[in-house]
Order: sequence, then C-alpha cells, then structure tokens
Amino acid sequence: EVQLVQSGAEVKKPGESLRISCEGSGYSFTTYWIGWVRQMPGKGLEWMGIIYPGDSDTRYNPSFQGQVTISADKSISTAYLQWSSLKASDTAMYYCARGVGATVVTDAFDIWGQGTMVIVSS
Amino acid sequence: DIQMTQSPSSLSASVGDRVTITCQASRDISNYLNWYQQKPGRAPKLLIYDAYNLETGVPSRFSGGGSGTDFTVTISSLQPEDVATYYCQQYGNLPLTFGQGTRLEIK
Repeated sequence: EVQLVQSGAEVKKPGESLRISCEGSGYSFTTYWIGWVRQMPGKGLEWMGIIYPGDSDTRYNPSFQGQVTISADKSISTAYLQWSSLKASDTAMYYCARGVGATVVTDAFDIWGQGTMVIVSS
Repeated sequence: DIQMTQSPSSLSASVGDRVTITCQASRDISNYLNWYQQKPGRAPKLLIYDAYNLETGVPSRFSGGGSGTDFTVTISSLQPEDVATYYCQQYGNLPLTFGQGTRLEIK
C-alpha cells in the first residue's frame, strides 16, 4: 500500500525549534516530489514548498521562504519540515503529500499523510 | 501568484440534488487545475486532475470541466457522504495555489 505516515502532534513554546517528518512507503520514494501544505485552524490549504528526494531539489512558496526548511533523507524514505524559531502563528495542521506529474514542478498531490498538528503556545 | 477564487464559499443542498462549485483563476491556466475533497477531520483527497479526469476510485457522480480561467466541479446526485470542503488548485505556475474552499452541507 502506498502511504505517507507523519510524525505525531507537537506542543512547543515560541522560540523553540521543531522538525516534523513524513515517511513514504509502498513506492519509489526517490522518484516522486513530496510537498508540504499548511492548514491553519478553520482555514484553507496553503502550499509551502516541495522537495524531490532523488536529488534534494527544493522549491519554496515565497510566502514561506526563510521561515521553514524542507529536507529529505532518501536512505530512510523520509521528508522533513523544520523551524528554527517557532511563532504562535505557526500553529496549524501540516500535511505532506506526494506529487505526480511534471508540468511546472509537480501537478497534483495524489497521496496525503494524515497530518501533524503543531501547537505553539507559551 | 495566480489567485484562485471559488464560489460559493458554502452551500447547502438536499440529497439527490445536482450541485456545482465554480473556481476562477486570475489568469489563463489552460487545464492545469485539480479538485480536492476534505472531509471533516481528515486529510484532503484528490478528486479530479487536469480539470476533468476522475482520480481512480472516485464515484462517477463527480465530474469536472472548464479551461482557461473558469472551472467547475459537479455532483450529479448529492449523497450524504459528499459532505466536505472542496478545494481547487492550480499548477500552471509556482507557487501552487488553492482556492479558499467551498463547504458543502446537506440540507
């Protein structure tokens, strides 16, 4: 079964660092893009960025550039999203998703992780 | 960035109704448009890709259409399990962008 499994919920304080993960299985992890999508409480979907685990080519939404870092370790089929200094406004559900197609970078997200809830509160 | 505007923002309809949600792009994106369904408390699910192609396993009561700047997703006969928020997403240009969502409820 093709699936993405994300790490568990996190509760952090402002200023703390955090890395969440997304492990792929059931397919060739290095040949599909992995994207990250933010969903703030009660709000819509926002594309943050994307990585190609095969060569670590990474693209960011300018709105998130410099705020987060996307990386991947292809040896363990895992992608990461990390923050060096969290803010309360980072409180959200974060989804990873597998990208298919290659019109621009990737076209659609056909497989989604279950989401990782991040709560940042003092 | 390409802005995606969905209408309506919310919709209430009866079981068996034909329901249409629209999505407008701020500039021509050809058919580079996907639709996702997100049920409450769940991750989004790809419903339609390339504007009109149904993802495997999606019921045939769903259909997509449009090109250029104006797109639609239609449910031919609304079922209780279709209660969800629906999002369009363009991939004509980076950054990839989503519509604000349309919440669909049963009347």
